[in-house]
Amino acid sequence: SAVISQKPSRDICQRGTSLTIQCQVDSQVTMMFWYRQQPGQSLTLIATANQGSEATYESGFVIDKFPISRPNLTFSTLTVSNMSPEDSSIYLCSVEVRLYEQYFGPGTRLTVT
Amino acid sequence: GENVEQHPSTLSVQEGDSAVIKCTYSDSASNYFPWYKQELGKRPQLIIDIRSNVGEKKDQRIAVTLNKTAKHFSLHITETQPEDSAVYFCAAVNPTGTASKLTFGTGTRLQVTL
Repeated sequence: SAVISQKPSRDICQRGTSLTIQCQVDSQVTMMFWYRQQPGQSLTLIATANQGSEATYESGFVIDKFPISRPNLTFSTLTVSNMSPEDSSIYLCSVEVRLYEQYFGPGTRLTVT
Repeated sequence: GENVEQHPSTLSVQEGDSAVIKCTYSDSASNYFPWYKQELGKRPQLIIDIRSNVGEKKDQRIAVTLNKTAKHFSLHITETQPEDSAVYFCAAVNPTGTASKLTFGTGTRLQVTL
């Protein structure tokens, strides 16, 4: 597997502001992913972040709302922009360690007031 | 795109009994099927997976079976223990394009009672 960390672990933000979540892994990986998990729900893929190329967004998620950076093979950021209470959720990054095998970071619990 | 259905949504078993969770997928091109365990407030943890070239895989008390013809796969936990209580998610990977995207089932809350 891999050691994956996320910052912050939790935050409470006011509507209209933005929050950037960081994901760090202890080894170089090609594929990183960002997911959202709303309380009591399953995981929904937001986007795939491949180093050296633009992130690929899933249906219902757009770059203006969730800009992603992937500056190197061990790091990625997800920004949640112009937040509303509907953005309150857990945001998780994952990395692909071996073909298709994904391991998750500890998550960032976001509350928007 | 891929759609994964998971049943049951909740499952209660007595300690020592077996538990079975079932998932079906829609896209016959899917070829990798992991299972994740998520304890309350924790990250999803990969506990077992199966690729489409095998029909069954075991790891101590857990096993996964795959029926490609019927497009369904199942998680089997034997001799359940209280620490098995968690939410379990199945998922499928459809290797289209350049990304191995996971599509998750809706989850099963397993409660192991003493």
